[in-house]
Amino acid sequence: NAGVTQTPKFQVLKTGQSMTLQCAQDMNHNSMYWYRQDPGMGLRLIYYSASEGTTDKGEVPNGYNVSRLNKREFSLRLESAAPSQTSVYFCASSDWATYSYEQYFGPGTRLTVT
Amino acid sequence: GESVGLHLPTLSVQEGDNSIINCAYSNSASDYFIWYKQESGKGPQFIIDIRSNMDKRQGQRVTVLLNKTVKHLSLQIAATQPGDSAVYFCAEIPDSNYQLIWGAGTKLIIKP
Repeated sequence: NAGVTQTPKFQVLKTGQSMTLQCAQDMNHNSMYWYRQDPGMGLRLIYYSASEGTTDKGEVPNGYNVSRLNKREFSLRLESAAPSQTSVYFCASSDWATYSYEQYFGPGTRLTVT
Repeated sequence: GESVGLHLPTLSVQEGDNSIINCAYSNSASDYFIWYKQESGKGPQFIIDIRSNMDKRQGQRVTVLLNKTVKHLSLQIAATQPGDSAVYFCAEIPDSNYQLIWGAGTKLIIKP
């Protein structure tokens, strides 16, 4: 199992550009999450998908959109990137059906907006 | 609002000694707590969890203690090794929507 994979690993955007961060998991988990982590800080939830077909806003959703494409894939889109969105983005998944709250994380995407 | 915070942003420990990382939480209704370890350039990795009906839980070289009276959580690492160098996060689940609320993290530095 690859676990949670994210692409790309690094990205540099100019202000106003758009891009989509991709995330996939092969653990058959129901729930998936997108977080951002700023330097020296903890993780903040952007959006989550409790199950296929549903998405909900987290703590910091402004400037982002998400798509739960199928059970495996959950993408994060920046429509018009801003320097404040410079951060490391982590995707995670979990399976509530097993009564486990543990979230499994991908390696992250380091995004710089100039 | 709800928050999970840490007392010490950086902790330096001699190799071989025990490490204690502390965490304060604000929501007395939180039912579940997790400790994660994040090595440089990697995503967080689960270490150990504890439910609110427990005071203590032990894993391999790690112990989590929960004091609900003062809303305090701690992670104890026995015989700290160089591989334990990382940032450690505590997280809580304050309600049933399954969202984790994360603390800011403590950086553990191992002195040789």
